[in-house]
Amino acid sequence: DVKVTQSSRYLVKRTGEKVFLECVQDMDHENMFWYRQDPGLGLRLIYFSYDVKMKEKGDIPEGYSVSREKKERFSLILESASTNQTSMYLCASSPWTGSYEQYFGPGTRLTVT
Amino acid sequence: QKEVEQDPGPLSVPEGAIVSLNCTYSNSAFQYFMWYRQYSRKGPELLMYTYSSGNKEDGRFTAQVDKSSKYISLFIRDSQPSDSATYLCAMRIRDDKIIFGKGTRLHILP
Repeated sequence: DVKVTQSSRYLVKRTGEKVFLECVQDMDHENMFWYRQDPGLGLRLIYFSYDVKMKEKGDIPEGYSVSREKKERFSLILESASTNQTSMYLCASSPWTGSYEQYFGPGTRLTVT
Repeated sequence: QKEVEQDPGPLSVPEGAIVSLNCTYSNSAFQYFMWYRQYSRKGPELLMYTYSSGNKEDGRFTAQVDKSSKYISLFIRDSQPSDSATYLCAMRIRDDKIIFGKGTRLHILP
């Protein structure tokens, strides 16, 4: 079974802090994604990566950056956390570009106070 | 017009009933149509996918795509309390990103 793990299930940070969310997948997938999920807004794509050291902006990249130094690991960075970044963050991976299937991690509930 | 529209619910039905979940879309270039299921405090998981118009069945679940009407449906027969979850439709154009609906919350009442 594909497993996508995220470093924390719940995280509380203060406004202005730098926040790192880590995601690891164990199936040698090419593509990895970061989404945020908010009530009434659904899943919104923040960034994705189709190869090591490659990244592409999604629909809402402002205030975020990403890092992919190894194929299995994709990190989301909030440079200076703000209260409007309080959300559920979901990481996903897919085997190749064009695959219809994405495998999601359990999510990180981030609260910024 | 939003690319994918999905009624958020919640939808409450008694155990054993047939459930119908639906999405409409605006982009006729979508080729792949998926349904994801998301249990509370979990990430979404792929339930079914279809490539073309028509029906696809998997156990109690049937996915239906009508490209002429830009309408997709998921039917659940003999619904069970364990089917209570949020169901997200999703679609994509070839190698492009996946577009998700906002999800419909479903409650199956014992």
